[in-house]
Amino acid sequence: QVQLQESGPGLVKPSRTLSLTCTVSGGSVRSGADYWSWIRQSPGKGLEWIGFIFHSGSPYYTPSLKSRLVISVDTSNNQLSLRLNSVTAADTAIYYCARMKREGGNYYFDVWGQGILVTVSS
Amino acid sequence: DIQLTQSPSSLSASVGDRVTITCRASQSISTYLSWYQQKPGKAPKLLIFAASKLQSGVPSRFSGSGAGTDFTLTISSLQPEDFATYYCLQSFTSLVLSFGGGTKVEI
Repeated sequence: QVQLQESGPGLVKPSRTLSLTCTVSGGSVRSGADYWSWIRQSPGKGLEWIGFIFHSGSPYYTPSLKSRLVISVDTSNNQLSLRLNSVTAADTAIYYCARMKREGGNYYFDVWGQGILVTVSS
Repeated sequence: DIQLTQSPSSLSASVGDRVTITCRASQSISTYLSWYQQKPGKAPKLLIFAASKLQSGVPSRFSGSGAGTDFTLTISSLQPEDFATYYCLQSFTSLVLSFGGGTKVEI
């Protein structure tokens, strides 16, 4: 079955760029049935959808992060990536990658990575 | 943007209780809603999609209902492993998804 694993630095300095990778195993980011997404969760808080991408299409971002965010897929390495620039302490969170399925107009996350805690601090 | 309001934000229950969690949307979202369970230190897990469809492998004591603006997640007989936080997610605006604030189910 499909498994997702996030990786990247656990500590990022303020104003720098946060870069994460999600490695997909047991499936392909080129799957025509799947979308790929990032979701984050600030410590002790709720879930926040960040954005998603289809392997052959444009990414979609939550409006509040759109100006600082880039989500892309690397089909050769079967990976999903996230780059968030000009980070502040407010970007400290657990970042999850997830597979998103579509059924008609319904989109939902059926497979999640374990998550990676990223702390923004000097 | 569509806002999802979950109620209650937390509840206390006992094993065997019937538990109902509500998710209310700020505008009609048809049945474009899913439910997730999250245990401490773990990633969320999909329970229900399309408002009422049970994800494969999820126990049948979980059920979802609703359409339009009002939705419920029901656990028919609470089990020890069900103590967790539950979130709803809307995908009516498929380009901008949003989660509810969560409901913590505790003893």
